[in-house]
Amino acid sequence: EDQVTQSPEALRLQEGESSSLNCSYTVSGLRGLFWYRQDPGKGPEFLFTLYSAGEEKEKERLKATLTKKESFLHITAPKPEDSATYLCAVLKYNNNDMRFGAGTRLTVKP
Amino acid sequence: GAGVSQSPRYKVAKRGQDVALRCDPISGHVSLFWYQQALGQGPEFLTYFQNEAQLDKSGLPSDRFFAERPEGSVSTLKIQRTQQEDSAVYLCASSLDPASPGTGELFFGEGSRLTVL
Repeated sequence: EDQVTQSPEALRLQEGESSSLNCSYTVSGLRGLFWYRQDPGKGPEFLFTLYSAGEEKEKERLKATLTKKESFLHITAPKPEDSATYLCAVLKYNNNDMRFGAGTRLTVKP
Repeated sequence: GAGVSQSPRYKVAKRGQDVALRCDPISGHVSLFWYQQALGQGPEFLTYFQNEAQLDKSGLPSDRFFAERPEGSVSTLKIQRTQQEDSAVYLCASSLDPASPGTGELFFGEGSRLTVL
């Protein structure tokens, strides 16, 4: 059965303390893996798409990487405004059902 | 408008009532998706439109759920005879690219929070 598991469920960091969020997946025929950010009371906001193992994408303090079994979202020197829930999602070929994980709730303390 | 607009933002319904949730996508966006998000969980796919055509409704949980996009712009998600387990946030997303399920770059609205008593 296709699964997307994110860890940890919650992460508290001090401002400037770098860390990584994990998204492990078991999907046959991966078409793409996506990262989104969701603030409380808002809809998810698109961050990255990764298509193949070895691919990396960067945006400001965020870098996303992909292997055949998992993806990491690395956060370098985070700031309080990076506090949010980070969601990963996968999509299979011949499918429109973007399957999301439960998310990692990140809190960055000043 | 500048983004995806959903209404109402909050809806309280008594069990057994019918509800209708509206989505105004970004102008010109071809693809439109509906998702259901329970508290503390990620969004779950409900249905997908390309223009007015409903290409995928495999995620609709029962025949009480119905979605339409008659003119290829505004969409309505209707839930008949609501049950308590229908309580969730219903998110609408749109994309300019008809291949957007594959690009993943969807623009989400803020959602409609449905509470069924």
